Amino acid sequence: AQKITQTQPGMFVQEKEAVTLDCTYDTSDQSYGLFWYKQPSSGEMIFLIYQGSYDEQNATEGRYSLNFQKARKSANLVISASQLGDSAMYFCAMGTGRGSYIPTFGRGTSLIVHP
Amino acid sequence: GAGVSQSPRYKVAKRGQDVALRCDPISGHVSLFWYQQALGQGPEFLTYFQNEAQLDKSGLPSDRFFAERPEGSVSTLKIQRTQQEDSAVYLCASSLGPVGTLGNEQFFGPGTRLTVL
Repeated sequence: AQKITQTQPGMFVQEKEAVTLDCTYDTSDQSYGLFWYKQPSSGEMIFLIYQGSYDEQNATEGRYSLNFQKARKSANLVISASQLGDSAMYFCAMGTGRGSYIPTFGRGTSLIVHP
Repeated sequence: GAGVSQSPRYKVAKRGQDVALRCDPISGHVSLFWYQQALGQGPEFLTYFQNEAQLDKSGLPSDRFFAERPEGSVSTLKIQRTQQEDSAVYLCASSLGPVGTLGNEQFFGPGTRLTVL
């Protein structure tokens, strides 16, 4: 069975600083995808970034980058130059071939950016 | 509209009532997903449609939950004889391609917050 673990229930960061949100995963599948979503207080899940298990380079999307360490089964999200609007819940998710790549979500990390 | 819409945004039901939650996916999106998100948790998969076909309903918690997408666009999630443990946010998502493709990005709606008294 696949499992996503986010060990940080809450994180605080000062505006303009970088922050790393942790995510570890467990799967026996060789082919899988890792996703990060942002959920602001409005409730909508916003897709941020995707990493495929066979991708050799870490994914980047603007201020977001995914620190993918396959041997350690970790897929940490790095947000550079934090902004007040980054305050939200962040969810790590994984999809594998057995589940036809339907994401399984972690419990989330609450990020608060303060001025 | 440009995104996924859901209605109602909020629903309060008395225990035992039936409820129907609507999802309007992005036009042309083949795949549609329903998730249940309890307070303080990540979304949990309920069911998946490819066009009008319900290909996976393994996440539906009981036979009181029923979903349909008769014309391959709008979907309705129906919960019969609601119980207090059904209180959650119900999220709908759609994606352009069929499931089974890595990186098939899902676009989520704002959710329906269901409270069962």
